[in-house]
Amino acid sequence: DIQMTQSPSSLSASVGDRATITCRASQGIGNYLAWYQQKPGKVPKLLIYAASTLQSEVPSRFSGSGSGTDFTLTISSLQPEDVATYYCQKYNSAPWTFGQGTKVEIK
Amino acid sequence: EMQLVESGGGLEQPGGSLRLSCAASGFNFSSYAMSWVRQAPGKGLEWVSGISGSGGSTYYADSVQGRFTISRDNSKNTLYLQMNSLKAEDTAVYYCAKRMVGARPFDYWGQGTLVTVSS
Repeated sequence: DIQMTQSPSSLSASVGDRATITCRASQGIGNYLAWYQQKPGKVPKLLIYAASTLQSEVPSRFSGSGSGTDFTLTISSLQPEDVATYYCQKYNSAPWTFGQGTKVEIK
Repeated sequence: EMQLVESGGGLEQPGGSLRLSCAASGFNFSSYAMSWVRQAPGKGLEWVSGISGSGGSTYYADSVQGRFTISRDNSKNTLYLQMNSLKAEDTAVYYCAKRMVGARPFDYWGQGTLVTVSS
């Protein structure tokens, strides 16, 4: 099975900073990559699919890029409401594996 | 308004069984593939099982293959997860999730139901 590895496992940045999370697949998955945001005590929320397509009503400060095995989620200007854990997920075929998560905090 | 409401969680002993349900409303249930995703306390998300809109295709994570069975009743707009031979490591919040049309990820999640496996 394809493994999904995120880095870093946590990051701390100041309000207004650029935050970048990477996700690596152990084999190529095309652009079948999604990013989810899970705020503390809340249900996961889809942010991006097809590696770079923003889900409706997601703020434009979120962006995604990549294809094949290497993907990136970027928050262009970190806001207090972005404190959350972020997960990547492959969905080209079962199993629809998630990365281990990246916890984002405000410095 | 779209809704997914899970039920059936609770405390069960190792080796026991539980059946989770997910009642769907606000969309054409039979048109969408569905999945179960779990999250152990303080841990990350783990995809558990998936099923096509018709119910004709099912998929399982290696960790539950042979113990869990996913099914759906499109006449009742309900998704199920039969969990047998439960282990302590199955302790988690179980979410049902709706897949977007086509080869796309999960765009809507229920609030989850907690399953605790302990003696």
